[in-house]
Amino acid sequence: DQQVKQNSPSLSVQEGRISILNCDYTNSMFDYFLWYKKYPAEGPTFLISISSIKDKNEDGRFTVFLNKSAKHLSLHIVPSQPGDSAVYFCAASTLEGAQKLVFGQGTRLTINP
Amino acid sequence: SQTIHQWPATLVQPVGSPLSLECTVEGTSNPNLYWYRQAAGRGLQLLFYSVGIGQISSEVPQNLSASRPQDRQFILSSKKLLLSDSGFYLCAWGSKDRLYQPQHFGDGTRLSIL
Repeated sequence: DQQVKQNSPSLSVQEGRISILNCDYTNSMFDYFLWYKKYPAEGPTFLISISSIKDKNEDGRFTVFLNKSAKHLSLHIVPSQPGDSAVYFCAASTLEGAQKLVFGQGTRLTINP
Repeated sequence: SQTIHQWPATLVQPVGSPLSLECTVEGTSNPNLYWYRQAAGRGLQLLFYSVGIGQISSEVPQNLSASRPQDRQFILSSKKLLLSDSGFYLCAWGSKDRLYQPQHFGDGTRLSIL
């Protein structure tokens, strides 16, 4: 049972345009959601997060939206830059115990000049 | 500031050989520690986590084990490696002190089993 799903394995966007990455989850007990960025042969780097009491969180070019009723979150990157090309993972956790993260499969984002 | 170190960066091992991967965290105390594995083309799967010295919880049945001999040291081991143990292994730490805090990852170990 995959509790966190990223249905798009890849996404190609032109430089300067908006990149929208999507993520769906099934566990209604999740109350913390995160996006990580990963380059090859490196560990994931934390990008932005949102708690379940909010529906939007913004940090510079990055905005995360949470729709609890639809169990859906998205990451918007505006404007997209070549350095944004990477694999993006969404993750979710409850706040109980060890706060274990459940990850999606990842979306490879390619920004074209 | 906090840092997390993993070594080695890459490892090639024959089937049936033992394994020891080490992870240490600096700049924080009493963290939660985690081992993840990323198989080729897949997401990250949690293997083990630890909330304190000597406290290990396993998430999936497997050929691996973990230990936490010191507060900021986390070790992933195997007595006999299988081909299916190949993958990219990541250590991470998280804070217990505050809610809504992300986990932070090391740079990983690429393990290839021949």
